[in-house]
Amino acid sequence: GQQVMQIPQYQHVQEGEDFTTYCNSSTTLSNIQWYKQRPGGHPVFLIQLVKSGEVKKQKRLTFQFGEAKKNSSLHITATQTTDVGTYFCAGPGGGADGLTFGKGTHLIIQP
Amino acid sequence: DAGVIQSPRHEVTEMGQEVTLRCKPISGHDYLFWYRQTMMRGLELLIYFNNNVPIDDSGMPEDRFSAKMPNASFSTLKIQPSEPRDSAVYFCASSRIDRADTQYFGPGTRLTVL
Repeated sequence: GQQVMQIPQYQHVQEGEDFTTYCNSSTTLSNIQWYKQRPGGHPVFLIQLVKSGEVKKQKRLTFQFGEAKKNSSLHITATQTTDVGTYFCAGPGGGADGLTFGKGTHLIIQP
Repeated sequence: DAGVIQSPRHEVTEMGQEVTLRCKPISGHDYLFWYRQTMMRGLELLIYFNNNVPIDDSGMPEDRFSAKMPNASFSTLKIQPSEPRDSAVYFCASSRIDRADTQYFGPGTRLTVL
């Protein structure tokens, strides 16, 4: 079945530094979604990318969908303590699998 | 609008006991998903329903796990008998249009089996 790989698993940054997490799929994706989970919380939808090469921004967050629609990235500029959490990418699974989530990247920010 | 509602929020039980987790999806959502999250395995899809019908239960780990959705506004995930390795956070999520649409997660149930 489809696999969605995310790297890195953990990322420590100083407050104010940038952060990037990468997502790679073994198959072409019709779309990709990003979710954020705060410590002790639940995954919350951030954005969906559909078009090849698409770039979307939400304030300090920039999301990209690769030209081949097999990879995606999330970049945060000038991290703040409120950015702490785990960032998941998710893509439609093959067959009846619903969404396939990556393992997530845990962002840890040191003040 | 109320989001996805799950109960209980925390459950501590002893090995061998039956555990029932409950979920109320967002009204009007046709799809309901049950996930399990652990540090080791991440977020795993256990089962999902479309219009109250189970579509894919291939993620259910063992026969000890069962899920039902008797109507559009209620679903249960039951573990009988529970084991310590079932300790995890169990999330319910719902989506509106299709299985790959945006999913709205409930707050989760943190299950500890002693």
